[in-house]
Amino acid sequence: GENVEQHPSTLSVQEGDSAVIKCTYSDSASNYFPWYKQELGKRPQLIIDIRSNVGEKKDQRIAVTLNKTAKHFSLHITETQPEDSAVYFCARSPGGATNKLIFGTGTLLAVQP
Amino acid sequence: ETGVTQTPRHLVMGMTNKKSLKCEQHLGHNAMYWYKQSAKKPLELMFVYSLEERVENNSVPSRFSPECPNSSHLFLHLHTLQPEDSALYLCASSQTTGSYGYTFGSGTRLTVV
Repeated sequence: GENVEQHPSTLSVQEGDSAVIKCTYSDSASNYFPWYKQELGKRPQLIIDIRSNVGEKKDQRIAVTLNKTAKHFSLHITETQPEDSAVYFCARSPGGATNKLIFGTGTLLAVQP
Repeated sequence: ETGVTQTPRHLVMGMTNKKSLKCEQHLGHNAMYWYKQSAKKPLELMFVYSLEERVENNSVPSRFSPECPNSSHLFLHLHTLQPEDSALYLCASSQTTGSYGYTFGSGTRLTVV
């Protein structure tokens, strides 16, 4: 199908712990996988992305891994801080003529101080 | 400011009203998008414009009518809406070729009464 499954829907961690959010898809033509962070009342913001020819990408405390064979990709946040609290959305681009993105249902991450 | 500006930020309208949402980007992007964000649902793609041409219409009811007069501006004209149309409407822009992340606007919070 076209949807992206995202789990968990809510995640609560203690400050300093790691958080992992996973997304799965079924369209093997998908070639681009961004992650967005949306704080309460604010717009979604791109925090990291990965293309299908790469298995892992890291940016400071944030990393994304992609398993093309299994058709899943994950967001890893290490040393979480209260300001990491937000809703996180994964997305995939099916490629083709338009640059449309299909989003997951979101994960509400709460980092407890 | 993010480079993508949406107005108004909030809108309350009756079911018989006609109103328009506006989106403006100054990033030099040539693709623009309307998404609907409802509680507990993934961001739903409504329309895709590439180089001012509508390239995707995701089975959106005709009470929503998009307009893209140039690559910097995108409108969503609303008429005869239903209460279930109440949501956050997000505009985004990106490059049209290849796969790239979006820049989102802050959204218009629409309430239909």
